[in-house]
Amino acid sequence: GENVEQHPSTLSVQEGDSAVIKCTYSDSASNYFPWYKQELGKGPQLIIDIRSNVGEKKDQRIAVTLNKTAKHFSLHITETQPEDSAVYFCAVGHKAAGNKLTFGGGTRVLVKP
Amino acid sequence: KAGVTQTPRYLIKTRGQQVTLSCSPISGHRSVSWYQQTPGQGLQFLFEYFSETQRNKGNFPGRFSGRQFSNSRSEMNVSTLELGDSALYLCASSPGLAGAQETQYFGPGTRLLVL
Repeated sequence: GENVEQHPSTLSVQEGDSAVIKCTYSDSASNYFPWYKQELGKGPQLIIDIRSNVGEKKDQRIAVTLNKTAKHFSLHITETQPEDSAVYFCAVGHKAAGNKLTFGGGTRVLVKP
Repeated sequence: KAGVTQTPRYLIKTRGQQVTLSCSPISGHRSVSWYQQTPGQGLQFLFEYFSETQRNKGNFPGRFSGRQFSNSRSEMNVSTLELGDSALYLCASSPGLAGAQETQYFGPGTRLLVL
């Protein structure tokens, strides 16, 4: 089955700096790549997603890049703010797997003011 | 629109008991997926229901089961609870019409503690 690895597991950045989280996946047929943010006591919330026919997508301070050849995708957060502190998960979806998502292990991001 | 709701939010059970968790999807959404979240195994897919039928299933033992009602509300049941079943159980809903790779909206989860 699909295997998703996420790095780093923890990330500490100074407010205003950028944060980058990287995920690799194993199934070359996977074609849906969402990113979720989970705050304490809450369920994961979608922050951005990308599909395999697109190489990059941006939404204000958040961007995701996809390299299908290398089977990896990354989340970039610019101008980090304290409210960006949370656990971030990447996930992978496959057309043949319905709405099933395979998640990475998560990255705990701490933005220091 | 109201988000995904899950009840109860917290639950304590003892080994050997069974438990039923409930999920109400976003109004109009017909697909409901369940995930188990633990510190050791992370987020793992349990199953997906659409139009009262199980559409996908993860790699969990038969003690984990679910169902969906005609109003799209879903329940999952865990029988003969084990200590390792302690986890946050998350429900996610999506429109369901595309059949795959839809944006999924998660509820707050039910935290289950098995003693």
